Amino acid sequence: DGGITQSPKYLFRKEGQNVTLSCEQNLNHDAMYWYRQDPGQGLRLIYYSQIVNDFQKGDIAEGYSVSREKKESFPLTVTSAQKNPTAFYLCASSPPFYANTGELFFGEGSRLTVL
Amino acid sequence: AQSVTQPDIHITVSEGASLELRCNYSYGATPYLFWYVQSPGQGLQLLLKYFSGDTLVQGIKGFEAEFKRSQSSFNLRKPSVHWSDAAEYFCAVNQGGKLIFGQGTELSVKP
Repeated sequence: DGGITQSPKYLFRKEGQNVTLSCEQNLNHDAMYWYRQDPGQGLRLIYYSQIVNDFQKGDIAEGYSVSREKKESFPLTVTSAQKNPTAFYLCASSPPFYANTGELFFGEGSRLTVL
Repeated sequence: AQSVTQPDIHITVSEGASLELRCNYSYGATPYLFWYVQSPGQGLQLLLKYFSGDTLVQGIKGFEAEFKRSQSSFNLRKPSVHWSDAAEYFCAVNQGGKLIFGQGTELSVKP
């Protein structure tokens, strides 16, 4: 079945360590997104990519980095510079630009806890 | 910049009662509007969307929403709530291919 796979589902790390969250999609979607979710704050956009080898910062990019070397993959690295990394992270994708109405398809999320 | 406001952080309704979740947006032109639902620890699932045309849109799981341009609103409704509807609901508007989300409304359902 087509979909978006995020891994790992749960991740624990010590302060000061970089961690990388995986996001893979087999929907043939051009655009991919990373959102951060905190209780009572909705979803905030971290980074997005409309096409391979290109990405843009969202509203809260500081302390995060991404790459988009393949259409199917959009990994997110939470660096030690991120002051409060404990959160639920959601990856999403959207159809090719010509068919893009803004609808997003979401993975099941990764919960990162920094100890 | 566009924004989305969901005035109710938490709503509790009895099973079988009707439901209305409020959403207001700020946008100059006709927006693309969405409602998503999220079960605990899960990703978001699209309930319904509005692009143009009929202002009353039907979605999955018996939900509907009405776009009211004069009120800048896109409220979500369901005539009879089921216990399985307990979840968090997010309204969103499309801004240049990106979705801007409201803060969410958590729905609890009493037996």
